Amino acid sequence: AQSVTQPDIHITVSEGASLELRCNYSYGATPYLFWYVQSPGQGLQLLLKYFSGDTLVQGIKGFEAEFKRSQSSFNLRKPSVHWSDAAEYFCAVGPVEVSGTASKLTFGTGTRLQVTL
Amino acid sequence: DTGVSQDPRHKITKRGQNVTFRCDPISEHNRLYWYRQTLGQGPEFLTYFQNEAQLEKSRLLSDRFSAERPKGSFSTLEIQRTEQGDSAMYLCASSPPGNYGYTFGSGTRLTVV
Repeated sequence: AQSVTQPDIHITVSEGASLELRCNYSYGATPYLFWYVQSPGQGLQLLLKYFSGDTLVQGIKGFEAEFKRSQSSFNLRKPSVHWSDAAEYFCAVGPVEVSGTASKLTFGTGTRLQVTL
Repeated sequence: DTGVSQDPRHKITKRGQNVTFRCDPISEHNRLYWYRQTLGQGPEFLTYFQNEAQLEKSRLLSDRFSAERPKGSFSTLEIQRTEQGDSAMYLCASSPPGNYGYTFGSGTRLTVV
């Protein structure tokens, strides 16, 4: 069965500092990997995704993530955090379908990011 | 593209009552998904449709839960005889054919009192 672990429940960083959010997954083959962000009381917004090719993927809002197969990890990074980045971040894994279509996703429990000024 | 729309945004109901939520996906998206999110947790998959066909249901979806997507457009999720444990955010998402990204709606927050 697929699973996702986000070991950090809560992280606090200063505005302008760099950020790395950890994500480890368990899956039988190469999965689709995603990072989503959720503001309080809102739905989830896709930050970036990985399927194949270059293991460093760029996303929106200046985020990037690196897929490391040997470590089963897909960590999210941002070189300089802004106060507006404060939110909950979810890593997710999903199966690769032949058609290339997304299917059901398994999410981690999330990391809450607090940004201090 | 008006995004994924969910209605209502909030629902408070008494234990034992039935509730129904509606999701309107992005018009050209053929897949529609339902997830449930409880406080402090990530979303958990409930079920998904491709057009009008329900392709998979999670074991989380007890017999009290039913979802439909008539004509492959909007979808409804009904919970019968609600229990306090059903209190959660119910999220809907949709995706287009051959695409591997979802668009989520803002969710319906259910509180069972």
